[in-house]
Amino acid sequence: AQTVTQSQPEMSVQEAETVTLSCTYDTSESDYYLFWYKQPPSRQMILVIRQEAYKQQNATENRFSVNFQKAAKSFSLKISDSQLGDAAMYFCAYRSASGANSKLTFGKGITLSVRP
Amino acid sequence: KAGVTQTPRYLIKTRGQQVTLSCSPISGHRSVSWYQQTPGQGLQFLFEYFSETQRNKGNFPGRFSGRQFSNSRSEMNVSTLELGDSALYLCASSGGGANTGELFFGEGSRLTVL
Repeated sequence: AQTVTQSQPEMSVQEAETVTLSCTYDTSESDYYLFWYKQPPSRQMILVIRQEAYKQQNATENRFSVNFQKAAKSFSLKISDSQLGDAAMYFCAYRSASGANSKLTFGKGITLSVRP
Repeated sequence: KAGVTQTPRYLIKTRGQQVTLSCSPISGHRSVSWYQQTPGQGLQFLFEYFSETQRNKGNFPGRFSGRQFSNSRSEMNVSTLELGDSALYLCASSGGGANTGELFFGEGSRLTVL
């Protein structure tokens, strides 16, 4: 079974600074997706960034980028130029690329606060 | 394009009652999955439906059930409610054209069991 581990329950960053959120996972599969989802206090989970395991290039979406280390099974999220609106709970998630096992496996999440 | 819609947003029930939650996926999405979110257990997968068939099921007791209709709308039912069923229930849809692997979530249904 796949597992996703986020070992830091909380982090804090100064506005305009950079923060990195850590995530490790365990799987025996070779083809899968990794995601970072953001859940603001309003609750709706929204996708921040997505990485396909077969792609070596790290995904980037504006101020958000990942460091994907497939061999080490590590998938960290870097937020640059942090903004107050980035304050939220962030979940790392794994999804098999196999259609037969398409559930998302989430980490416990990390609460990110942004100091003005 | 409308997002995933869940109803009701909030509800309060007492132990022993049953509850039905509804989810309308994004138009064109054929897969609907349900997750339970609690502070203690985090996000846990309940089940997934694809084209009216349950494709995957998580480790929840038989009191938790679901179904999907021909228009892809889905319902989940919890019978004989227990205090521990208090949670945010999230519905997510996926599919449509390009398969990006992404799930799109609704705002959730907050269930409180007294």
